[in-house]
Amino acid sequence: GAGVSQSPRYKVAKRGQDVALRCDPISGHVSLFWYQQALGQGPEFLTYFQNEAQLDKSGLPSDRFFAERPEGSVSTLKIQRTQQEDSAVYLCASSPVETQYFGPGTRLLVL
Amino acid sequence: GESVGLHLPTLSVQEGDNSIINCAYSNSASDYFIWYKQESGKGPQFIIDIRSNMDKRQGQRVTVLLNKTVKHLSLQIAATQPGDSAVYFCADENNAGGTSYGKLTFGQGTILTVHP
Repeated sequence: GAGVSQSPRYKVAKRGQDVALRCDPISGHVSLFWYQQALGQGPEFLTYFQNEAQLDKSGLPSDRFFAERPEGSVSTLKIQRTQQEDSAVYLCASSPVETQYFGPGTRLLVL
Repeated sequence: GESVGLHLPTLSVQEGDNSIINCAYSNSASDYFIWYKQESGKGPQFIIDIRSNMDKRQGQRVTVLLNKTVKHLSLQIAATQPGDSAVYFCADENNAGGTSYGKLTFGQGTILTVHP
């Protein structure tokens, strides 16, 4: 069956530009997570949704980062006024109960 | 802050050898541990997990060992194959305080290279 999908797979942005990253979780998965993965590092937690409710956003690095999941399915991670330090792979994972299934990620490069 | 980390950043083995990847964690409240495999350009792929009330769990060609006394986790891969070449991450979940929703803390990763 279809896994977690993310789009775009690659994004190049100029510093100061706003970007929106999309995650399509596995159908029926209640939990959705966003992680940020810097080059050569493990993923770091950004935020968590249970259905449409954002229950934990403690990992978002600044108020330029915003995530939503309005209908409890597709989620969007938005980064406003991108900075070079935002360059990373952004991973989305969904889970029915416990095991998290990851998407391929969106590689963001901010110039 | 508390974190999960790895002893060895790289591991190179010959095809058919057994591989052992190690991980140290610092959060004594961690109660669930997972190993992920990540190939280039892909997201992490679940390999095997273990709860803190166990010290060993086996899967297909993989075994995870947990030593809570020294806060150490290891992944053993039997008869390693070239297709096993990837970055391996350990991750832990701390459910203390009732936040049992799967928030994971990942280690830095070990690069496993399998030579034919």
